[in-house]
Amino acid sequence: AQSVTQLDSQVPVFEEAPVELRCNYSSSVSVYLFWYVQYPNQGLQLLLKYLSGSTLVKGINGFEAEFNKSQTSFHLRKPSVHISDTAEYFCAVSRRGGYQKVTFGTGTKLQVIP
Amino acid sequence: KAGVTQTPRYLIKTRGQQVTLSCSPISGHRSVSWYQQTPGQGLQFLFEYFSETQRNKGNFPGRFSGRQFSNSRSEMNVSTLELGDSALYLCASSSGLADANTGELFFGEGSRLTVL
Repeated sequence: AQSVTQLDSQVPVFEEAPVELRCNYSSSVSVYLFWYVQYPNQGLQLLLKYLSGSTLVKGINGFEAEFNKSQTSFHLRKPSVHISDTAEYFCAVSRRGGYQKVTFGTGTKLQVIP
Repeated sequence: KAGVTQTPRYLIKTRGQQVTLSCSPISGHRSVSWYQQTPGQGLQFLFEYFSETQRNKGNFPGRFSGRQFSNSRSEMNVSTLELGDSALYLCASSSGLADANTGELFFGEGSRLTVL
């Protein structure tokens, strides 16, 4: 079975400052990795995904993430945050091959301070 | 292309009652997954249906059940409601096909259940 750990439950950051949201995963097999974002009173939407190839993945709204297999990490970064980035971010993992359920982390609330 | 639709968006029930939530997936998607979201617990996987069959199941009591219809629409039911069942219930759809599986899910906006 796979698991996901998001160590930071809340991350406050000033507007226009950089941010990194941390994600570590555990799995005995190869995985796909995802970051989803949830705005208040909404469902989740995909921010970016790593399936294969380049370990640096670019997503929507200027976010990017880097897959590090040796450290089993998939940290999310943005060089300059905006007020509109205030939301909850979820890291997720799914095993490769066949159809597998997606396992989510507990989420990180990003609060952008004006 | 219409997204995932969940109804109702909000509902209030009392302990002991039962509730049924509905989810219409994206057209062409045959897999529907259900998640329970509560503060501090994140998203907990309930179950996944594919072509009217439950394919995966999480660790929830038997009070939580679901089904999927031939048109891929899905319902989940919670019987004998408890206060702890108050949560946002999210439905997500995907193609569900092994050769097209990337694990990407498309979520609805959720049904927020309050149990009093």
